Amino acid sequence: DQQVKQNSPSLSVQEGRISILNCDYTNSMFDYFLWYKKYPAEGPTFLISISSIKDKNEDGRFTVFLNKSAKHLSLHIVPSQPGDSAVYFCAAPDLYNFNKFYFGSGTKLNVKP
Amino acid sequence: NAGVTQTPKFQVLKTGQSMTLQCAQDMNHEYMSWYRQDPGMGLRLIHYSVGAGITDQGEVPNGYNVSRSTTEDFPLRLLSAAPSQTSVYFCASSYSKAHVGNEQFFGPGTRLTVL
Repeated sequence: DQQVKQNSPSLSVQEGRISILNCDYTNSMFDYFLWYKKYPAEGPTFLISISSIKDKNEDGRFTVFLNKSAKHLSLHIVPSQPGDSAVYFCAAPDLYNFNKFYFGSGTKLNVKP
Repeated sequence: NAGVTQTPKFQVLKTGQSMTLQCAQDMNHEYMSWYRQDPGMGLRLIHYSVGAGITDQGEVPNGYNVSRSTTEDFPLRLLSAAPSQTSVYFCASSYSKAHVGNEQFFGPGTRLTVL
């Protein structure tokens, strides 16, 4: 059973608008979450993270929100740009071995010019 | 600083053949890992290593072997390839110093097809 889930395989938004990518997790003890971005034929690259002591972390156009009671996090991209078109993965490290990461299945974002 | 490198980029094997996927990093990272990416499945951990001489199994270890003789290299071996091992393989490395802030750096991937 997947411990980190991304239920939307794809998302299409217009350039300049907001993109919201969602991620749910099953283990309420998870306390650190990461988002990775992946372009075709490349490896994932780290984008932004959030610790459970916060409910929001912002880095330029990217903001991650954490709702611990709902076991849900979301990545907001404002404004969206065509170069943001990629697959986005959320991930969380294992509680007892933080070198083991659980990844969601990814959401493919398409930003239309 | 090359980061994480993987070779080959593409490989086609016949069922039963063996091969080794190479991974190297030049960041002096203690932790290295191998993932496979399949459609709709995200990234699944195959094996990982927390330092030279230390390896452990991830979620999907069957059919794969690893060893870590140096800090820099972490090869993944397929002893007898099966069509179910057709996938894209990513190697990753990270500092193993703390829980928070332990982002992984990924290589560009190896696309493997087993016929």
